[in-house]
Amino acid sequence: KNEVEQSPQNLTAQEGEFITINCSYSVGISALHWLQQHPGGGIVSLFMLSSGKKKHGRLIATINIQEKHSSLHITASHPRDSAVYICAVRPNYGGSQGNLIFGKGTKLSVKP
Amino acid sequence: EAGVTQSPTHLIKTRGQQATLRCSPISGHTSVYWYQQALGLGLQFLLWYDEGEERNRGNFPPRFSGRQFPNYSSELNVNALELEDSALYLCASSPLVRQYSYNEQFFGPGTRLTVL
Repeated sequence: KNEVEQSPQNLTAQEGEFITINCSYSVGISALHWLQQHPGGGIVSLFMLSSGKKKHGRLIATINIQEKHSSLHITASHPRDSAVYICAVRPNYGGSQGNLIFGKGTKLSVKP
Repeated sequence: EAGVTQSPTHLIKTRGQQATLRCSPISGHTSVYWYQQALGLGLQFLLWYDEGEERNRGNFPPRFSGRQFPNYSSELNVNALELEDSALYLCASSPLVRQYSYNEQFFGPGTRLTVL
């Protein structure tokens, strides 16, 4: 079992829909990232969370440390949101300082 | 402010050759991280350099190595290339990571390595 699991793997939505992508992890963490990767490969960091909730424009990220779960929400989705969304955690066990463990990503396609 | 830059954008090599990938961090960042994204495998942590020293390494063979220069830029070297080394190699940087702390990582555009 992977240490970071994302769901769904693939998601197709109509423009304007509310979208939720989920991330569950099995290790203790000090931080969780949500990343966006467009075709061509470049990665943009959307959020870094260690507790609670963050909002940036139409994007909202939440984390529940006790339940080891995070969600990324996109309100009023738009075709330009089409990308792969990756959850990554920074584990807090010894010797892991610096590295991230990644989920396999959720491929989002928003149709006009 | 300039972001993380990587060169080259694309690199084509043959089996057995060596590849050198370069990364320049955001100004003021001292930590550089290397990740591999092979097709179908997702992103995997390769190496972390901070203040010129290797701080941590992922589960990769010794033919993956690198270094960090005094200006905090970094090189990733892959020796004796194998076909399965074909991947997107991403570099990220962050401010100084102190013990028990963590800073957000900012990613570069990546170098796509193809091994023929």
